[in-house]
Amino acid sequence: GAGVSQSPSNKVTEKGKDVELRCDPISGHTALYWYRQSLGQGLEFLIYFQGNSAPDKSGLPSDRFSAERTGGSVSTLTIQRTQQEDSAVYLCASSLMGESNQPQHFGDGTRLSIL
Amino acid sequence: AQTVTQSQPEMSVQEAETVTLSCTYDTSENNYYLFWYKQPPSRQMILVIRQEAYKQQNATENRFSVNFQKAAKSFSLKISDSQLGDTAMYFCAFVLSGTYKYIFGTGTRLKVLA
Repeated sequence: GAGVSQSPSNKVTEKGKDVELRCDPISGHTALYWYRQSLGQGLEFLIYFQGNSAPDKSGLPSDRFSAERTGGSVSTLTIQRTQQEDSAVYLCASSLMGESNQPQHFGDGTRLSIL
Repeated sequence: AQTVTQSQPEMSVQEAETVTLSCTYDTSENNYYLFWYKQPPSRQMILVIRQEAYKQQNATENRFSVNFQKAAKSFSLKISDSQLGDTAMYFCAFVLSGTYKYIFGTGTRLKVLA
């Protein structure tokens, strides 16, 4: 597609439920990133994929968070047993390669609200 | 560890005026990249401008320019002839050369007034 696509745009769910967030990167981009943006905060790095591999999962806040990427393209971020503190906007970005000189292109994000 | 600080949580400017957003960073490394991203209410982060640390010349992109002071570790964004469409959150970001992990500041909310 023309840009990074994320779905759903908004998600409201009850505490304790599992949620899946989807990211479809720009075609041909091998690097994919997930960030979390809480109200009034900057972007918090969660995980980085190069192809289907995740060499850096250091930002995942707990073992309730996991992510996968298949076919070097679509990625899903899964949050199990959601808590209210998981409420945030989850942003996905992709770049041609995981290199610092290549800017990251962002999607519109998924706003997750935990009741 | 690298850090990025944006000390102005909110700013406003009159349409057609000029505004400068500040950003400072801390690193002991010499090679890195700096970015300004804009996030309008639609939420999509849009790259505004990029600066390579090894370049002394300040980057310019139409009405947007930066004042990069490497010794002072300062990277401010100047918006000239402000337009209503410039209303957004602006994030400063840092990444070490050869790595991929961006470090973002907490953002400055800019409102352009008619």
